[in-house]
Amino acid sequence: ETGVTQTPRHLVMGMTNKKSLKCEQHLGHNAMYWYKQSAKKPLELMFVYSLEERVENNSVPSRFSPECPNSSHLFLHLHTLQPEDSALYLCASSQDRGALKNIQYFGAGTRLSVL
Amino acid sequence: DQQVKQNSPSLSVQEGRISILNCDYTNSMFDYFLWYKKYPAEGPTFLISISSIKDKNEDGRFTVFLNKSAKHLSLHIVPSQPGDSAVYFCAASAHGAGSYQLTFGKGTKLSVIP
Repeated sequence: ETGVTQTPRHLVMGMTNKKSLKCEQHLGHNAMYWYKQSAKKPLELMFVYSLEERVENNSVPSRFSPECPNSSHLFLHLHTLQPEDSALYLCASSQDRGALKNIQYFGAGTRLSVL
Repeated sequence: DQQVKQNSPSLSVQEGRISILNCDYTNSMFDYFLWYKKYPAEGPTFLISISSIKDKNEDGRFTVFLNKSAKHLSLHIVPSQPGDSAVYFCAASAHGAGSYQLTFGKGTKLSVIP
């Protein structure tokens, strides 16, 4: 079992659809993250959860809605997305969001295409 | 404005030679730096890190150098192997409030030619 697992790996959706991305970590970490990677851009932090409490929302549009039911699972609910939201969405986890050495471990990502 | 910059989008190196990947940063509050490697269809994998109290950290074939005065770090891979071909991301964080936030560069694609 890999450390951070994301499903689905690929997703194609229309602008009126509602879908969810799932992330599960098996590392016993306390913090989980959603990142967006668009073509030719750096990874952009979207959301941070620490012990199931959201601690950061980097001005992400409300059409992206995160959910963290427990420290091992993280969801990203998607609705009425735009074509420019097409990107690679990466989940990550770390031992503690406030640690001096914040090493984050990433899943393989979900490649999202919005038509 | 990008706080972490990797100015070389790509780099080609002969197998067995040294690969040097560079990264510059602008935020003087950054005190912890990381390198990640990413293969196609996989997520970034942590490679090596360095704290600002050090100027060098070595792990096998990988060495990271930090020059705080120049706000520059580099990753040296020696000897380079074909399996090292990947995109390498530099990332930085600042201890304290918001230390969970990693700021990434755009990445450098390394190709090691057999």
